[in-house]
Amino acid sequence: DAGVTQSPTHLIKTRGQQVTLRCSPKSGHDTVSWYQQALGQGPQFIFQYYEEEERQRGNFPDRFSGHQFPNYSSELNVNALLLGDSALYLCASSLAGSVLYTQYFGPGTRLTVL
Amino acid sequence: GESVGLHLPTLSVQEGDNSIINCAYSNSASDYFIWYKQESGKGPQFIIDIRSNMDKRQGQRVTVLLNKTVKHLSLQIAATQPGDSAVYFCAENRRSGAGSYQLTFGKGTKLSVIP
Repeated sequence: DAGVTQSPTHLIKTRGQQVTLRCSPKSGHDTVSWYQQALGQGPQFIFQYYEEEERQRGNFPDRFSGHQFPNYSSELNVNALLLGDSALYLCASSLAGSVLYTQYFGPGTRLTVL
Repeated sequence: GESVGLHLPTLSVQEGDNSIINCAYSNSASDYFIWYKQESGKGPQFIIDIRSNMDKRQGQRVTVLLNKTVKHLSLQIAATQPGDSAVYFCAENRRSGAGSYQLTFGKGTKLSVIP
């Protein structure tokens, strides 16, 4: 049973560029959430996708956008990269309609913006 | 504002001793809490959870205690091992809409196990 997978593992970009990160949820899960984790901090919620739509969003600018595909996988896009976007980006999956909506995390993508 | 926070940022424990990691929360409406373990360079790993209608839950070598009166959560690790060295987060799984939950994390406690 595959867990949550993310690609790439590491990425280096320069300011102003755009980046796309990818996530495949745990088998059987249909909901994907994205988090940003700065060094030494807890993960911060970016947004959540269910049924190919953004269901809720945290306090992040419109430069952060996403997509969910029919197979439940998801992408996170960040435009006009800033130095402050350097972080570990985590994807978590869960099953809508489950009792507690427990989220399981992938290994993350380390983004460095120079 | 509403938040989930931790009492201590670091904790050093002798191998074989018990570890206790504490967490305070402020949203009395929260109905579900989770402890995650995050090793260096990895994503958070689910350890154990507890619903607000419980005050204790046990897993393998771990116990979570919930005190709703003082809005306090703790994670106890029995017979701490070197492999337990990691950052531990408590997270509040809060209902944020119809059928939707959002995780709110604290800053984390770094547990270091001394051999």
